[in-house]
Amino acid sequence: QLQLQESGPGLVKPSETLSLTCMVSGGSISIRSSYWGWIRQPPGKGLEWIGNVYYSGSTSYNPSLQSRVTITVDTSKNQFSLKLTSVTAADTAVYFCARQASWADAFDIWGQGTMVVDSS
Amino acid sequence: QSALTQPASVSGSPGQSITISCTGTTSDIGAYNFVSWYQHHPGKAPKLIIYDVSFRPSGDSNRFSGSKSGNTASLTISGLQADDEANYYCSSYTTTNTWVFGGGTKLTVL
Repeated sequence: QLQLQESGPGLVKPSETLSLTCMVSGGSISIRSSYWGWIRQPPGKGLEWIGNVYYSGSTSYNPSLQSRVTITVDTSKNQFSLKLTSVTAADTAVYFCARQASWADAFDIWGQGTMVVDSS
Repeated sequence: QSALTQPASVSGSPGQSITISCTGTTSDIGAYNFVSWYQHHPGKAPKLIIYDVSFRPSGDSNRFSGSKSGNTASLTISGLQADDEANYYCSSYTTTNTWVFGGGTKLTVL
């Protein structure tokens, strides 16, 4: 059974870079029918899509975050990663990684989420 | 891109039915049948309950149903149960090849 698990620092200093990794287990990240995404939820707010990556490395990003976001994939480690630069308090959120399956045109498998707080 | 519009809260008694609306634009909900709904119990991973407007993942409860008319999608939960109390989010693919979510609706089972 496919599972996703986020990892990374829970505190980030203002203006620095947030870095998170999502480990995929129970299946390969290199399957053609899946994209891999990051979604976040600020405290008391709704979900916000950050971006997706395909196993080939192609990406798509939320236009509102595009200038600060990079999502990469490492097929040898079966994981994908998120980098968000110039962090501010507005980036404090629970960050989820998820699989976007082509069979569902939706995010069908999610990680538990990891809280990242601006240390200011 | 703007978030899809959902009511902040809805409520219902056990056994009743409720409907949650999700309003977008001609660039998202109105453009494709790629509308999905998620159930989120705080502290847990969100769960996909409806995809492609009205399809349920295999093995999931048929108490959840979805529909769409124009730029508005809807989620109906019938036979409300205590465990249905959660936050519900809609999502849609967009004409700019991105995804957008709704602001979320808190369902209270009275």
